[in-house]
Amino acid sequence: GNSVTQMEGPVTLSEEAFLTINCTYTATGYPSLFWYVQYPGEGLQLLLKATKADDKGSNKGFEATYRKETTSFHLEKGSVQVSDSAVYFCALSDSGGSQGNLIFGKGTKLSVKP
Amino acid sequence: DTAVSQTPKYLVTQMGNDKSIKCEQNLGHDTMYWYKQDSKKFLKIMFSYNNKELIINETVPNRFSPKSPDKAHLNLHINSLELGDSAVYFCASSRGGRNTEAFFGQGTRLTVV
Repeated sequence: GNSVTQMEGPVTLSEEAFLTINCTYTATGYPSLFWYVQYPGEGLQLLLKATKADDKGSNKGFEATYRKETTSFHLEKGSVQVSDSAVYFCALSDSGGSQGNLIFGKGTKLSVKP
Repeated sequence: DTAVSQTPKYLVTQMGNDKSIKCEQNLGHDTMYWYKQDSKKFLKIMFSYNNKELIINETVPNRFSPKSPDKAHLNLHINSLELGDSAVYFCASSRGGRNTEAFFGQGTRLTVV
């Protein structure tokens, strides 16, 4: 079945450091790919998405490119801030169904120190 | 204006009790979901509804029963609560289809004691 694997956390970085969170997926068909962010005590918010191969999603300085050849959707940011501290989830939209339910990775907790 | 709102935010109850969590969305979406997030933050879909009809039931015990009185509401009723039901439950909605993102509520932290 479809699945998402993302790097284990927690990840601790200093402010202004470069961030990469790896995400790979297994899917039949052509899923859409998403990154969601969960700030402490809150629900999930969409960070960015890509719906087809070679698409790049970007938002708030974060980027991820849909790589079909490596089945990857790694999240990157050039310079993290303390306010980026959160849990990040990679997800795919199950293309086998028509309702677009999401399959999530296990989440990566990011802590950014001043 | 909250797009997806769920109540209560916190729920502490004893084993064996029956409880409900309510969810409402004002986005005009046709599809609503319930997700469960365990203590390790892992998120798994429980149910998906489209226009008040059940589409997905992911091997959830039948103690969990979703109810959708209209397409803006999807409530979750849980009978005979067990310790293992303790988790954060998220309601979400979307326009449906693989390209559309889901919008999540703030979550309900259920603690069964």
